[in-house]
Amino acid sequence: AQTVTQSQPEMSVQEAETVTLSCTYDTSENNYYLFWYKQPPSRQMILVIRQEAYKQQNATENRFSVNFQKAAKSFSLKISDSQLGDTAMYFCAFKRSGGSNYKLTFGKGTLLTVNP
Amino acid sequence: DADVTQTPRNRITKTGKRIMLECSQTKGHDRMYWYRQDPGLGLRLIYYSFDVKDINKGEISDGYSVSRQAQAKFSLSLESAIPNQTALYFCATSARTSGDNEQFFGPGTRLTVL
Repeated sequence: AQTVTQSQPEMSVQEAETVTLSCTYDTSENNYYLFWYKQPPSRQMILVIRQEAYKQQNATENRFSVNFQKAAKSFSLKISDSQLGDTAMYFCAFKRSGGSNYKLTFGKGTLLTVNP
Repeated sequence: DADVTQTPRNRITKTGKRIMLECSQTKGHDRMYWYRQDPGLGLRLIYYSFDVKDINKGEISDGYSVSRQAQAKFSLSLESAIPNQTALYFCATSARTSGDNEQFFGPGTRLTVL
């Protein structure tokens, strides 16, 4: 079974600074997808960024980027130029690739607070 | 906009009561899911459905049942609610044709069982 570990229950950062959230996972699969979801105080789950394991290039979405280290099974999220609206719970998630593989395995989350 | 909606958004009920949480979607997706979120535990899958006639248990299905009334509707029932079912419940959908099975979430239902 796959497991996803987020070792930082809480983090804080000053507005405009950069912060990195950690995620490690355990799998014997070679092909899979990794995701970061954001959950602001509104409770809505919002997909921030995704990475396909067969792609070596790290995914980037505006101020959000990942550092994907497949051999180390690490998938960290970097937020640049942090904004107050980035305050949220962030979840890392894993999904096997192919066929009817549907299941998202979530980490326990990291609560990020952006301070003015 | 195509969307995933959940009703009610908040519900308080008493131990032993039957309660139904409803999910509707206008995305045209065939796959639907119910998750439960507890503080410090992330999201865990309760049930999932690939189409109207295909319903499957997730990792924590005990105490829950579901009904897929139509492609667009997927309801979660607690036959006899108990306090440890107090949680935030999410419905999600995905398209069968989506390579990475990206899941789109509803706004959540906060359920409190007294």
